[in-house]
This record gives sequence, C-alpha cells and structure tokens, in this order.
Amino acid sequence: EAGVVQSPRYKIIEKKQPVAFWCNPISGHNTLYWYLQNLGQGPELLIRYENEEAVDDSQLPKDRFSAERLKGVDSTLKIQPAELGDSAVYLCASSSRTARSEQYFGPGTRLTVT
Amino acid sequence: QKEVEQDPGPLSVPEGAIVSLNCTYSNSAFQYFMWYRQYSRKGPELLMYTYSSGNKEDGRFTAQVDKSSKYISLFIRDSQPSDSATYLCAMRGGSGTYKYIFGTGTRLKVLA
Repeated sequence: EAGVVQSPRYKIIEKKQPVAFWCNPISGHNTLYWYLQNLGQGPELLIRYENEEAVDDSQLPKDRFSAERLKGVDSTLKIQPAELGDSAVYLCASSSRTARSEQYFGPGTRLTVT
Repeated sequence: QKEVEQDPGPLSVPEGAIVSLNCTYSNSAFQYFMWYRQYSRKGPELLMYTYSSGNKEDGRFTAQVDKSSKYISLFIRDSQPSDSATYLCAMRGGSGTYKYIFGTGTRLKVLA
C-alpha cells in the first residue's frame, strides 16, 4: 500500500512569491490534514478535511494561505504571498474514518523563503 | 503554558539501555494518546496509540498513560542505534474531537 505522497520535497522561493504544495493521501482515507512544523517543534494543524469539506481551518492564516480538496482525494495548499516566516516543513497526513487515531504522515515539503 | 510539554533532550543512552520518554499535559479532555518517531528529514511515523489510562505493549515499545497525573510515557527496551530519532507525543480529545496536539519532541541518541 502506497503511503502519503507529497510534492515537491523541497522548495526555495523569494519572499512575496506564491508557492503550492500537493498531497495525495492513502487510498480510502477520507480525513486529510495539513500541518506546519518548525525546526525543533511538533507539527501544528493548519487545516483538516473530511472528504472535500474543510471542517477545521481555525489555525489557517487565511489572508495568505488557502487550501482545497476538490474531489475529496488529493489536496493542494497554497501560500500567496510567501513571507520569510513561512519557512518550515509542511506535512500532510491522512486517516480513515474507522481508525482515526492512526494518522499517517507524508515526508513533508521543506519550504525556504529567501 | 503549553497544553503538552515534552523535554526536547537530547537524551543519549548506550545501546541496550531502557529508554524512558515522557510528556505531561494540562487538558483533562484528552482521551487518545499517540507516540510518533521522526527521523531527520522524514515525516512522523506512528509507533502506537492508547485510549484513556493503562499500558500498551508492542515489541520493544511500551506506552503508559496516567490520566490522574496527566502524564504519559514511552519505554523502549533493548535500545538500538536505529532507534536514534526524535520522538513526538500527541493527544486528542474523545470521539468527535480530531484535533491533535503535539509535543515538541525529544531527540534520542542511542550510542553503539
């Protein structure tokens, strides 16, 4: 069974530029999470989807961040415009409705904003 | 005060030692408790999870939850150099509550 797939793995952009991250969850997993992880910190939730519905986006900075999961499968997280403080690892995770405590993470996208 | 506290380490132990990793928390509503292992430049990997209080064992790993003290532990027996990683605890509330709160992680080094 393939794990959570994320791309790109690394991204370097200049501040004020846009950037997008893509995630494909484990097949059959209806719940998808986007997390932000700063160096030396644990992951912090940005947004959670149940199928195509964003059910918890309270931590998403909506002035510059947006996300979508149009068909309830893969998802895209976008930042526009990026700021220096956005440099971090962006992690995607998924879980199934019947095993919600089994959350599986992708390898993450390491973003550097210069 | 953070909802979940975890000593960042690093914790260095000799190969074969028993390792004890711990987290404390302040939110009494937490019901599910998870431990993840994260290697450098990789995503977290779920090791095990427990519901409410008690112990759970899986191979060399044992998770303990003491809800009365708001304290959880992960024990690693016969530690190996391959166990060197950052260990993250995470927790969430009961059914219907699916926001996970993570600790900062403890960096473990097992010396050969």
